[in-house]
Amino acid sequence: DIVMTQAPLSVSVTPGESASISCRSSKSLLHSNGITYVYWYLQKPGKSPQLLIYRMSNLASGVPDRFSGSGSETDFTLKISRVEAEDVGIYYCGQLLENPYTFGAGTKLELK
Amino acid sequence: EVQLVETGGGLVQPGKSLKLTCATSGFTFSNAWMDWVRQSPEKQLEWVAQIKDKSNNYATYYAESVKGRFTISRDDSKSSVYLQMNSLKEEDTAIYYCTWGYWGQGVMVTVSS
Repeated sequence: DIVMTQAPLSVSVTPGESASISCRSSKSLLHSNGITYVYWYLQKPGKSPQLLIYRMSNLASGVPDRFSGSGSETDFTLKISRVEAEDVGIYYCGQLLENPYTFGAGTKLELK
Repeated sequence: EVQLVETGGGLVQPGKSLKLTCATSGFTFSNAWMDWVRQSPEKQLEWVAQIKDKSNNYATYYAESVKGRFTISRDDSKSSVYLQMNSLKEEDTAIYYCTWGYWGQGVMVTVSS
């Protein structure tokens, strides 16, 4: 199974500043079709996970452009610029390249 | 608007069965590959099962932890996907989500004597 490793496990950010979350996969997530199958999700307190970024760098519908995704074949970054109070929660990366799909352990973002 | 609504959860004894239903709307369900993902009380996400669409012969895939006990199925006429869970174990206790990129609100399954 592909292992997804996130860092850090928690991050504390001052509102208005930026934050970055890293995710590393144990295998390349680049498909032969040129698409990199890494996804980012945010689970706000008491809610279900919501899709933020799909296929490494594509913003999901309705997601503010303060969020962006980037990376290579095995190393990925979610960047949040100008963090707001509504961004608090647990961020997960996940790979949808092959079954079984796997997820990182999550990064908890809180405000200072 | 995409909606996924899970029902059927509850408290069940070890060894018993439960069937989850996910009713969907707002997208072309018949073309969608649907997944069930669960979240443990420790917040870890675990993919459980997938069912592909008709053009892929409704192929199904399972996590090793549930293979042989869980069955995923779908009814395109009802835009719904199901998860039949048999021989439930305490470690199956989790919130179960139906997903298609978007996620439902989840349904709690508690396996306990």
